[in-house]
Amino acid sequence: DGGITQSPKYLFRKEGQNVTLSCEQNLNHDAMYWYRQDPGQGLRLIYYSQIVNDFQKGDIAEGYSVSREKKESFPLTVTSAQKNPTAFYLCASSMGSSWDEQFFGPGTRLTVL
Amino acid sequence: EDQVTQSPEALRLQEGESSSLNCSYTVSGLRGLFWYRQDPGKGPEFLFTLYSAGEEKEKERLKATLTKKESFLHITAPKPEDSATYLCAGDSWGKLQFGAGTQVVVTP
Repeated sequence: DGGITQSPKYLFRKEGQNVTLSCEQNLNHDAMYWYRQDPGQGLRLIYYSQIVNDFQKGDIAEGYSVSREKKESFPLTVTSAQKNPTAFYLCASSMGSSWDEQFFGPGTRLTVL
Repeated sequence: EDQVTQSPEALRLQEGESSSLNCSYTVSGLRGLFWYRQDPGKGPEFLFTLYSAGEEKEKERLKATLTKKESFLHITAPKPEDSATYLCAGDSWGKLQFGAGTQVVVTP
């Protein structure tokens, strides 16, 4: 089955630690995205990548970093510089054009202790 | 500034009671309006894309429509399994701008 996987489903982090969230897709999609979702708010774009070895900042990139070394993978690192990292993180992918529908993974819930 | 606003924030329906959700947008260079369904603790599931005013799309009990300034998601004779949060998003030059969603609860 084609789809997007995210791991882990739940993640706990101590303040001051960096943590990396995994996102893998086997849909052969060119574009991948990371969003953050907080209660009562819409999804906010952190980073996106339209092609391997290239990525752009979204609306709330501060305190986050990404890499895109393979077409299938787009890991997100939440650094200690992110002041309020507790949230639900969603990865998505699309064929390539911005008007193609995005398909989402199941999400990772990050809690900072 | 690009903005997508959904109303109401929450909607409680009796099974079979039809209703509509609103999504108003001020997105420059809008190229597509997307509707998603999201169940608690899960990723959004794609429903529809609308590209031009006057366009309509249907899927089971859901119908989405688009005007120049807003989109509606009509739920006809809903069932309890239609309970979810419905998200709309406008595409603007390569990025999606999401609304906060409408939480729909359908009771038997």
